[in-house]
Amino acid sequence: EDKVVQSPLSLVVHEGDTVTLNCSYEVTNFRSLLWYKQEKKAPTFLFMLTSSGIEKKSGRLSSILDKKELFSILNITATQTGDSAVYLCAVGTYIQGAQKLVFGQGTRLTINP
Amino acid sequence: DGGITQSPKYLFRKEGQNVTLSCEQNLNHDAMYWYRQDPGQGLRLIYYSQIVNDFQKGDIAEGYSVSREKKESFPLTVTSAQKNPTAFYLCASSFGQGQRRSPLHFGNGTRLTVT
Repeated sequence: EDKVVQSPLSLVVHEGDTVTLNCSYEVTNFRSLLWYKQEKKAPTFLFMLTSSGIEKKSGRLSSILDKKELFSILNITATQTGDSAVYLCAVGTYIQGAQKLVFGQGTRLTINP
Repeated sequence: DGGITQSPKYLFRKEGQNVTLSCEQNLNHDAMYWYRQDPGQGLRLIYYSQIVNDFQKGDIAEGYSVSREKKESFPLTVTSAQKNPTAFYLCASSFGQGQRRSPLHFGNGTRLTVT
């Protein structure tokens, strides 16, 4: 059975801190790993990773994938209160040409001023 | 503006009643998906559809049904056979083929409460 596990499940830090969110996976037919940010409603796309060792960056956020050890991390530097959200990790597989995402439980990040 | 519209935002039903959740997209995406989100369990796939008039079961399809009569629309019916229907339901879509399929784009969700 395909499985994606995120840790920690919950994290509370102060504004300005740096945080690292973890995602490990066990899936057949791996195609990609995606990170989403969910504030109240719709998850919004952050990164899609397909190759090991290549860091993707967007402002204060960055992510990297290790396909040998089957994990990914999402880093957020100089955190702001607007970074408070649930961060979802998902692994993409393909079934009959359709993308299927297997999601982790999410990490609830709270940034205190 | 292009996007995915789910309606209603909140839905309350009595146990034993069927209920249909609406999902409409104007992104011209070919594939559409329904996920269910419960606290502490992440998102789980209910049904997905790659083209009009075709759909496949996801991991937790029991007690649900869908139709895909138009490219833009993918309604989900929660039947009385679904044992724990109270949840947050998310519709998503994507475009492309195979390895070039785009990341999923999500709607704002429908929160269903069954009492």
